[in-house]
Amino acid sequence: DGGITQSPKYLFRKEGQNVTLSCEQNLNHDAMYWYRQDPGQGLRLIYYSQIVNDFQKGDIAEGYSVSREKKESFPLTVTSAQKNPTAFYLCASEGRQLRNIQYFGAGTRLSVL
Amino acid sequence: GESVGLHLPTLSVQEGDNSIINCAYSNSASDYFIWYKQESGKGPQFIIDIRSNMDKRQGQRVTVLLNKTVKHLSLQIAATQPGDSAVYFCADPNTGGFKTIFGAGTRLFVKA
Repeated sequence: DGGITQSPKYLFRKEGQNVTLSCEQNLNHDAMYWYRQDPGQGLRLIYYSQIVNDFQKGDIAEGYSVSREKKESFPLTVTSAQKNPTAFYLCASEGRQLRNIQYFGAGTRLSVL
Repeated sequence: GESVGLHLPTLSVQEGDNSIINCAYSNSASDYFIWYKQESGKGPQFIIDIRSNMDKRQGQRVTVLLNKTVKHLSLQIAATQPGDSAVYFCADPNTGGFKTIFGAGTRLFVKA
């Protein structure tokens, strides 16, 4: 099945710890995105990547880092500099054929211990 | 900056009734809009889209209406079912590059 897979589904972070959220897609999509979703709010863009080895900051990039070494993978690291990391994190991808329609993973819920 | 916004954060309807979810946008140059549905604990899923050369587009039990004059669009769900319970987002991908602006979402509750 083609799709976008996020792992883990739940993640707990200790104070001062960096954690990495995984996002993998087999849709052959060029563009990938990371969003943060807080309760009752819309999606806020953290980082996006249009092509391998290139990525841009979104609206709330502080305290986060990403890499795009492979087309299929776009991991997000939540660093210790992110003081309020508790949220639902969503990864999405977008292809050239259906430009602008994003396909989302099932999300990772991050909590602080 | 550009924005999209929904009029009501929650909407409660009786099963079998029609639902109408509204959205306003600010970018007059926007020519394409998307509605997503997000079920609890899941990622959003594409429902339907509409281009600005259309006033109305119909899908299976869903209809999107676009009023460019007042920069407003709505999602109508016919014969609402319990499985329609979710958060619905309107999205404006017309911000340039690869960035999409999402509204805050309307949570639809369906009463049996």
